[in-house]
Amino acid sequence: GQNIDQPTEMTATEGAIVQINCTYQTSGFNGLFWYQQHAGEAPTFLSYNVLDGLEEKGRFSSFLSRSKGYSYLLLKELQMKDSASYLCAVRSGGSYIPTFGRGTSLIVHP
Amino acid sequence: GAVVSQHPSWVICKSGTSVKIECRSLDFQATTMFWYRQFPKQSLMLMATSNEGSKATYEQGVEKDKFLINHASLTLSTLTVTSAHPEDSSFYICSARLQQGSTEAFFGQGTRLTVV
Repeated sequence: GQNIDQPTEMTATEGAIVQINCTYQTSGFNGLFWYQQHAGEAPTFLSYNVLDGLEEKGRFSSFLSRSKGYSYLLLKELQMKDSASYLCAVRSGGSYIPTFGRGTSLIVHP
Repeated sequence: GAVVSQHPSWVICKSGTSVKIECRSLDFQATTMFWYRQFPKQSLMLMATSNEGSKATYEQGVEKDKFLINHASLTLSTLTVTSAHPEDSSFYICSARLQQGSTEAFFGQGTRLTVV
């Protein structure tokens, strides 16, 4: 099975930078996703990492270290609309279907 | 990106009745769709994989006779919650991939089911 761990809740200030961590334990790692989910809505795709390193996409960046079983999502220049749940999902064992973590609820305040 | 439409967005039903949720891929064909359930502040839990023209594959612990899945065409999968109970109240979400081997899955907007 897989064990995916991420903080339950984080708060940050508008305009600041926040880093959301995700650790996982799995065999046959085959990719890690980050999704954003606003309350009552479906998740939207943010990033996909399969190799070690940092991938930057606008205000959002995602980092992966396969040897450490660790990833983070970095959000810069936070905006109020970034208040949402951020889901880490890991694909492994030859399956193309990812397993989701519980999500981190990010609250951005003025 | 590709569009997946889910209907209805929310539904309230009485205990013992059945509810059907539709998931449509609007601008692409999806041979495989996925159904998830999400309880408040919990992760998305995969319920089943819906395969066009064949039987769905259910995850362990999901009752196939209670959660009926039909994938009759390349653009439509339906989930029917039969004999619904209050504990079935949850957020149900479908997703689909563009094609085999595609990494990104597109999600429907979800259906909030409340059983009273």
